[in-house]
Amino acid sequence: RKEVEQDPGPFNVPEGATVAFNCTYSNSASQSFFWYRQDCRKEPKLLMSVYSSGNEDGRFTAQLNRASQYISLLIRDSKLSDSATYLCVVNRMDSSYKLIFGSGTRLLVRP
Amino acid sequence: DVKVTQSSRYLVKRTGEKVFLECVQDMDHENMFWYRQDPGLGLRLIYFSYDVKMKEKGDIPEGYSVSREKKERFSLILESASTNQTSMYLCASSTPTGELFFGEGSRLTVL
Repeated sequence: RKEVEQDPGPFNVPEGATVAFNCTYSNSASQSFFWYRQDCRKEPKLLMSVYSSGNEDGRFTAQLNRASQYISLLIRDSKLSDSATYLCVVNRMDSSYKLIFGSGTRLLVRP
Repeated sequence: DVKVTQSSRYLVKRTGEKVFLECVQDMDHENMFWYRQDPGLGLRLIYFSYDVKMKEKGDIPEGYSVSREKKERFSLILESASTNQTSMYLCASSTPTGELFFGEGSRLTVL
């Protein structure tokens, strides 16, 4: 089983739709969780950190479910510019420096 | 804004050549990382450094070495490039809470 698993997609949604991605992680001792966004042939960029209580940044909401060991990302009112690959990132128990990246979920927002 | 700069965006080298990839960050971060990204495999950690002259192996260190002589600079060295090292190489630095900031990447082709 991979340490961090994501549905690769693609998720193909119309503009204005709400879309949600989940990411499961295997190490129950993980403490740090992040969502990154990566555009085609570009570097990943931090979208948001995920806090235990959940957090929101504009149209984006991140949630953590420790009991079921998954994090989620909800995007409301999708824009064409949201089309990208979304990477789930979790730290390893043995080192807070070692972050494990999921393979990413691809989102396509169509007009 | 955090700035992570990688010296070369595109390189083409021959098998057996020595390759240097340079990375500089301007935010005084302690931690710096080298990843490679390959289709279907996601980002994999090669080496990281948590202080000047300190380094630790990541998941795939074979065939690579690193140098951190100054806090702002982290270099990746391929002593003898091989075709299976053709990849996108991404340097990153991180905040104390683990948020990673990436350079634009160096796409290396080994012929």
